[in-house]
Amino acid sequence: NAGVTQTPKFQVLKTGQSMTLQCAQDMNHEYMSWYRQDPGMGLRLIHYSVGAGITDQGEVPNGYNVSRSTTEDFPLRLLSAAPSQTSVYFCASSYFSLAGGLREQYFGPGTRLTVT
Amino acid sequence: GENVEQHPSTLSVQEGDSAVIKCTYSDSASNYFPWYKQELGKRPQLIIDIRSNVGEKKDQRIAVTLNKTAKHFSLHITETQPEDSAVYFCAANGGGSNYKLTFGKGTLLTVNP
Repeated sequence: NAGVTQTPKFQVLKTGQSMTLQCAQDMNHEYMSWYRQDPGMGLRLIHYSVGAGITDQGEVPNGYNVSRSTTEDFPLRLLSAAPSQTSVYFCASSYFSLAGGLREQYFGPGTRLTVT
Repeated sequence: GENVEQHPSTLSVQEGDSAVIKCTYSDSASNYFPWYKQELGKRPQLIIDIRSNVGEKKDQRIAVTLNKTAKHFSLHITETQPEDSAVYFCAANGGGSNYKLTFGKGTLLTVNP
């Protein structure tokens, strides 16, 4: 049971380049989410999904796209990278039910992205 | 959307003392309040959470209290140990959706031996 995995661990991009951050979980969790973490800013929600085929915007969605074609995978796409997107990105997953609401989120190890 | 304020931003205590971190939230519909611990270079991990139908919850040396009327909740750590040193984040759901989590900016706790 690998939990939540993220690839790559580190990435350097030039301004304007695009890329996809990968996230996978093997716990059969319905809920998955992406956060960015910047110094002094805490964790900010980018996008989230409550199940395959369902995604919604978080607090800071601009410049990012997501899709959820399977329960296991939730990739985050940067369309045209900007220096303001330099950050550490965390993917998380959780059990979820409409009746029970949010529960403990299990975080991946993170991806450190630098945009020059 | 939801706004979560967390204080203090840094906290230094002596080993064995208690530590208290406080958070306020803005959305009166919020009903889930987790606390996460993040050690340097590691991923955040849940240490305790509370739902709005409960006023207090304890787990060994850690407790969380919730005051829905005042819209604030607090983390209490007793008998602190050096391994409690980390950044602690509070969070609340809400902001138009029960499925969105908004985090505070974090508290760096240092426990001095």
